[in-house]
Formats: sequence, structure tokens, C-alpha cells
Amino acid sequence: DAGVIQSPRHEVTEMGQEVTLRCKPISGHNSLFWYRQTMMRGLELLIYFNNNVPIDDSGMPEDRFSAKMPNASFSTLKIQPSEPRDSAVYFCASSPAGGNYNEQFFGPGTRLTVL
Amino acid sequence: AQSVAQPEDQVNVAEGNPLTVKCTYSVSGNPYLFWYVQYPNRGLQFLLKYITGDNLVKGSYGFEAEFNKSQTSFHLKKPSALVSDSALYFCAVRDMGGNEKLTFGTGTRLTIIP
Repeated sequence: DAGVIQSPRHEVTEMGQEVTLRCKPISGHNSLFWYRQTMMRGLELLIYFNNNVPIDDSGMPEDRFSAKMPNASFSTLKIQPSEPRDSAVYFCASSPAGGNYNEQFFGPGTRLTVL
Repeated sequence: AQSVAQPEDQVNVAEGNPLTVKCTYSVSGNPYLFWYVQYPNRGLQFLLKYITGDNLVKGSYGFEAEFNKSQTSFHLKKPSALVSDSALYFCAVRDMGGNEKLTFGTGTRLTIIP
């Protein structure tokens, strides 16, 4: 199994530009999570999906952030327009179906730098 | 609301000595508890979890954790530390009656000194 796949691994962009982060969950996993990690705020859950439906988006910082999951094997997190304070490592994680106690499997992350 | 506290930002242990990384939690119902490890420039990696049953949970790489309901704690332990255990460790909690949302602690950086 290839694990959770994220792209790009690194992204450097200028303030005001649109940024799209991509995630492919582990095949067969029904839940997908987007996290942001910074030194100041630690690891924060932004949004999660179950069976491609957004369940909890209370962690999405503001309207500049949006996430989609058009099918079971792909999700995007978009920031438009980006700002320097969005600089962070963004992780995608997936979890199998069959109960609320399954662990989450994390991707390698996308390191975003907004200049 | 659910929350996790990791009171130590940094823990240093000599190689071969036992190690403990502390975690306390707060949930409205019964907890599901997890430990994850993060190596530099990597994603989080699952170590172990407590769902129900035996309070002592064994996980990957020789780690174990003890669930203590009266103290609302879930400390991570290992009898003999290895230099390769040096990493960032996160405790996480989910309310059994809630959704799949995990709340993570702020992390503890464990350094094993040769």
C-alpha cells in the first residue's frame, strides 16, 4: 500500500496567489482529514469528510479556505487568496470505516510558504 | 469539548533508561486515546491506542501506555530508551460519543542522549 499521498510536497507562492493542495487517501478508507501544523498553534484539524461528505469544517480558518472531495480517492484544499500567515505544513490523513476508534494514517505533508 | 494536555514541551532521557511522556485528557464521555510519533519532515505515525479493556496498552517499537481514569491520564512509557526514539510525540483524544474528530496535544519533544 502506498499510504496517503500528498502533492506537492513543497509549495512556495506569493501573497494573493491561489494555492491548491492535493490528497489521495488510502484505498478503502472512508474518512479523510485535513490538518495544519505550525509552531505557534500546533496541529489543528481544518475539516474532515466521511464518504466524501464534509462532516466538520469548524476548523477552517476563514472563507479563503475551501476543501472538496469529489470522489473517494481524491481531495483538495484550496486557499484563495493566500497570505503569509497561511505558511504551515498541511497534512492529509485517512481512516478506515467500521467504527469510531480507528486510527488515522497521515500523509507526508505539504510545506507551504507564502511570501 | 474535548482537550488534551502535554505538560512537558521537552523530555531528555539517557539511552537505556526508562522514559515517560505525560498526557492528561478531558472529555465529556468515555475517551478513545491515541499516541502518535512524528520524525523530522514526516507525517504523524500511529503508535498505540486505548479503546476499552486492559488499562495497559502495548504498541509499536516497544512503547506502552497506561490509561488511568481517575487521574484522566494516558502516559506513554518505554522500559529502555533508544537514540532512535528521539522524535516529537503527540497524544490525542476523541470522545466515544462524538464524531471522528481527534484533538491533539501540543506535542512533547523527546531527546534520547547517548
